[in-house]
Amino acid sequence: NAGVTQTPKFRILKIGQSMTLQCTQDMNHNYMYWYRQDPGMGLKLIYYSVGAGITDKGEVPNGYNVSRSTTEDFPLRLELAAPSQTSVYFCASSYSLVRGDQPQHFGDGTRLSIL
Amino acid sequence: KQEVTQIPAALSVPEGENLVLNCSFTDSAIYNLQWFRQDPGKGLTSLLLIQSSQREQTSGRLNASLDKSSGRSTLYIAASQPGDSATYLCAVGRSNDYKLSFGAGTTVTVRA
Repeated sequence: NAGVTQTPKFRILKIGQSMTLQCTQDMNHNYMYWYRQDPGMGLKLIYYSVGAGITDKGEVPNGYNVSRSTTEDFPLRLELAAPSQTSVYFCASSYSLVRGDQPQHFGDGTRLSIL
Repeated sequence: KQEVTQIPAALSVPEGENLVLNCSFTDSAIYNLQWFRQDPGKGLTSLLLIQSSQREQTSGRLNASLDKSSGRSTLYIAASQPGDSATYLCAVGRSNDYKLSFGAGTTVTVRA
């Protein structure tokens, strides 16, 4: 079972470059999320989506953009990479949270360094 | 704003000892609380989810309790094994928009 798949696993960018982090899930989940995890810190929500065509900002959206054209895919775009965006990025998905008993499923992460 | 705290940040125990991991949160109006396990270089794996109406959840050697009034959850791992070595994170689901607020985690080392 694939679950949530993130690519690439590692990437080094130069300041000012752009890139897209890919995320796809095969569980037919409505909800998808992007988090970043900095050393010694909890995960912080960047953007989330409740369904195809619908996205919204999380706690730390500045410097990022997302799109959700299909249920399966939720790419995260960095337009002008800055050293402060060096982090580990996690994509997650879940069913609708209305019932309160649906856990989020996570990918293995993308480790991004901006130099 | 929901603040989630996990103390201690790291814990080392001998094999066979029971583990007690703590999570505290500032806003009791929660939707649910999840405990996750994170292995080095890997993503998060959901261990247990407690809905706001529940007091505890159990899965095998794991038991998680929830006390909303005091803003606390505890994860118990019975008879620890070296394979339990990992970072454990708790995350609180907010009642108004279902987003998760994460603690920084407790890194556990079980010594053989």
